[in-house]
Amino acid sequence: QVQLVESGGGVVQPGRSLRLSCAASGISFSSYGLHWVRQAPGKGLEWVAGILYDGSNKNHVDSVKGRFTISRDNSKSTLYLEMKSLRAEDTAVYYCAKSPNRGYGYNFDYWGQGTLVTVSS
Amino acid sequence: QSALTQPASVSGSPGQSITISCTGTSSDVGSYYYVSWYQHHPGKAPKLMIYDVSKRPSRVSDRFSGSKSGNTASLTISGLQAEDEADYYCCSYTTSNIWVFGGGTQLTVL
Repeated sequence: QVQLVESGGGVVQPGRSLRLSCAASGISFSSYGLHWVRQAPGKGLEWVAGILYDGSNKNHVDSVKGRFTISRDNSKSTLYLEMKSLRAEDTAVYYCAKSPNRGYGYNFDYWGQGTLVTVSS
Repeated sequence: QSALTQPASVSGSPGQSITISCTGTSSDVGSYYYVSWYQHHPGKAPKLMIYDVSKRPSRVSDRFSGSKSGNTASLTISGLQAEDEADYYCCSYTTSNIWVFGGGTQLTVL
């Protein structure tokens, strides 16, 4: 079955960097677009970034542009989110989510259980 | 891009039907048939319940249905069961080539 397992979360000081990973199994990883979605404490979901099946195109929400970068390594079936210049408002559970096709997919058919990032001094 | 508007909470008794609304704008819900709905039990992975406004993944019960009129989409759950108690989020693709979610609706089964 499809499994997406996020890792790399933790407590980090404002202004520092962190890299999240999402390891996939049960799918032909290189055949699907992927996304990161986050949920701040007590808030709703927020789409953060998406990437096509081959990494040739990526997109980020304005609030993280220039600070976060989505990438993937198809040889390792792993999705990444490189986060720099972290702010308190980036504190959230970060979910990895799969597109149903090679593109961005317009919906997210499978999700991981998330990894918590806390930005605090 | 503002979040889509959902009621904060809805409730119903077992066996009843409930509907959750999701109001957006002409830049998101009103522009595309790319509205999806997610069930989220806290601490677990969100689950896709409805996509493309009214399509249902094969693994999802036919008690769940979706529709759209203008800038407002709706999720209806019929024959409420205790296991349906969860948070529900709508989501729409937008003309800015990003996705926007609703604030979430907490469903309580009385």
